This record gives sequence, structure tokens and C-alpha cells, in this order.
Amino acid sequence: DIVMTQTPLSLSVTPGQPASISCKSTQSLLHTDGQTYLYWFQQKPGQPPQLLIYGASNRFSGVPDRFSGSGSGTDFTLKISRVEAEDVGSYYCMQTIQAPFTFGGGTKVEIK
Amino acid sequence: EVQLVESGGGLVQPGRSLRLSCTASGFTFGDYAMSWFRQAPGKGLEWVSAIRGKPYGGTTEYAASVKGRFTISRDDSKSIAYLQMNSLKTEDTAVYYCSRSRATTVTSFDYWGQGTLVTVSS
Repeated sequence: DIVMTQTPLSLSVTPGQPASISCKSTQSLLHTDGQTYLYWFQQKPGQPPQLLIYGASNRFSGVPDRFSGSGSGTDFTLKISRVEAEDVGSYYCMQTIQAPFTFGGGTKVEIK
Repeated sequence: EVQLVESGGGLVQPGRSLRLSCTASGFTFGDYAMSWFRQAPGKGLEWVSAIRGKPYGGTTEYAASVKGRFTISRDDSKSIAYLQMNSLKTEDTAVYYCSRSRATTVTSFDYWGQGTLVTVSS
């Protein structure tokens, strides 16, 4: 199984400051079809996950442009350029290049 | 408007069965694979099972933790995906979510249901 290691476990950020979350996989997530099967989700308490980034770096429709995804192969990053109060929640990376699909352990973002 | 609605959750005793449904609307259901995920109280997200669309053989995949106990299926005529859960254990207690995905493209998991709570307890 592909193991997804996400860091840090938690993040306390002053509004307006940047934040960065790392996600590393034990195998490359670059498929032979040229796509990278890495996703980032945001989850607020009591709500289902919401897609932020697909294909490692593509922002989903309606997602604010302060969110960006980067990386390739086995090393990925989610960045929030200027954290806002509404960004509070947990963030997860997920790989779907092979079953079983696996998630990182999650990063809880709070506002200072 | 794309919608996914899970139902069928509830309180069940260990060893018993439950069937969850994920009713879809607003898109061509047969064009998508469907997955079930779960989240135990206070824990992270876990993928449970997936079923591909008929063009891809309708094949299924399972997490090791549920293989042999859970069965995923779909009824494209009703736009419903099911998760039959047998021999339930206390560790299956979680909110269960369904989501859609497309084969051969990363533009997936864009819509999720609100979830249905399954509590396994005596």
C-alpha cells in the first residue's frame, strides 16, 4: 500500500500570514497517462471533505486563489498564501494512483 | 446540480448487517465510478471501497479492513450506489461518505454527500 505522510500535524497561523502543508508518498503518484493522482481536501467540523486541488496542482472550481498545490513524484505541498479565518479546519492529501486509496493523517489549521 | 445523498445509517449491534445507499442526481451516473469513505469519531478520513462504471467492467476494490465483510454495488437505472456491510464491528463506527470519480482522469472526488452515521454498539 502507498503510505502518505503529512506534516505538520497542526498549524497555528496569524491571519494574513502564509501556511504550508507537506505530503510525501512512498511511491510516485505520476501515472503513465501523464497525470498525477494526488488530491488535497479541506474539511470543516461537521462537514464532508471539500476538494481544493486535484492532479497535484489544479485548483478546483470556486476555490480561492490563495490556495495552491505543487510538487511531483512523491513530494507535494499545499500552500495558503494569506490565511483567513474561514480557512480553519483540517486538510488532507489523498492518492488514488492505486487501490487502496490512502490519505495523509491530516493537518489541523487554527487561527492565532 | 450535482447531489449525492447517503442514507441507511443507524445504530446496529456487533455482528449484524446494514446497507447504505448513495443516491445521485444531476449527472450521468453510469459515467462515474463511485467510492465510499468513512471517518471514525475524531479521526481522519479512510477510503472503504470503490466500484467502476460499466464501461470499465464495474470492477470493485476494497480496503483490507472491510474486505470479505462489505460489498459495494450499483444500480445505474436508479443512480444509486450501495454498501452492504455485514459482520459489523465496533471499529466500523463512523460517518460514511460517498463521492464520485472518473476513470483515466484526475478530475474526480469533486462532490461528496453529507454523510450517514453508522454506530456499531451493543
